[in-house]
Amino acid sequence: KQEVTQIPAALSVPEGENLVLNCSFTDSAIYNLQWFRQDPGKGLTSLLLIQSSQREQTSGRLNASLDKSSGRSTLYIAASQPGDSATYLCAILTGNQFYFGTGTSLTVIP
Amino acid sequence: NAGVTQTPKFQVLKTGQSMTLQCAQDMNHEYMSWYRQDPGMGLRLIHYSVGAGITDQGEVPNGYNVSRSTTEDFPLRLLSAAPSQTSVYFCASTQSLGPYGYTFGSGTRLTVV
Repeated sequence: KQEVTQIPAALSVPEGENLVLNCSFTDSAIYNLQWFRQDPGKGLTSLLLIQSSQREQTSGRLNASLDKSSGRSTLYIAASQPGDSATYLCAILTGNQFYFGTGTSLTVIP
Repeated sequence: NAGVTQTPKFQVLKTGQSMTLQCAQDMNHEYMSWYRQDPGMGLRLIHYSVGAGITDQGEVPNGYNVSRSTTEDFPLRLLSAAPSQTSVYFCASTQSLGPYGYTFGSGTRLTVV
């Protein structure tokens, strides 16, 4: 069974800071890895999808990397803003299921 | 595009009552699934379906039934609601098991009293 871990569980940074969120997994046989954002009381919004054959994806201030051999993915957020405050989840498709980490709760302080 | 639509958004049930949570997608996705999300527990898979007529159990299937008679719809049935089923339920879909992204519905917040 795929095990997905996200560290740290919570992170608080001042506005403007660059930051990195981590996601690690135990089984490298993945179809893809996807980063989501979840605001309190809301659903999951897809941020970036990295297919198994890819190493990274970028969208605006977000950059996600994937290293299957080491079982790691990172989500880099540049020039953080208070609007980035949310919980960030990584999801990994392995076999016939998506496996989720428990998320990193990010607070960006104005 | 509507994406994944869940109804209702909120529901209060009494212990022992039954109900069906609805999930519909208009993207012709083969794979659909149901999760529950509880504080400190993350997202846990209840049931999933890889296509019409095919369903399978996830991590926490007890107390829930599903069926997939069409590609578009994947309802989740609670046969006899229990307080332990108080949670937020999410439906999600993807084109198929491959290099495709996962799309989530907006969720159903269920309280069982």
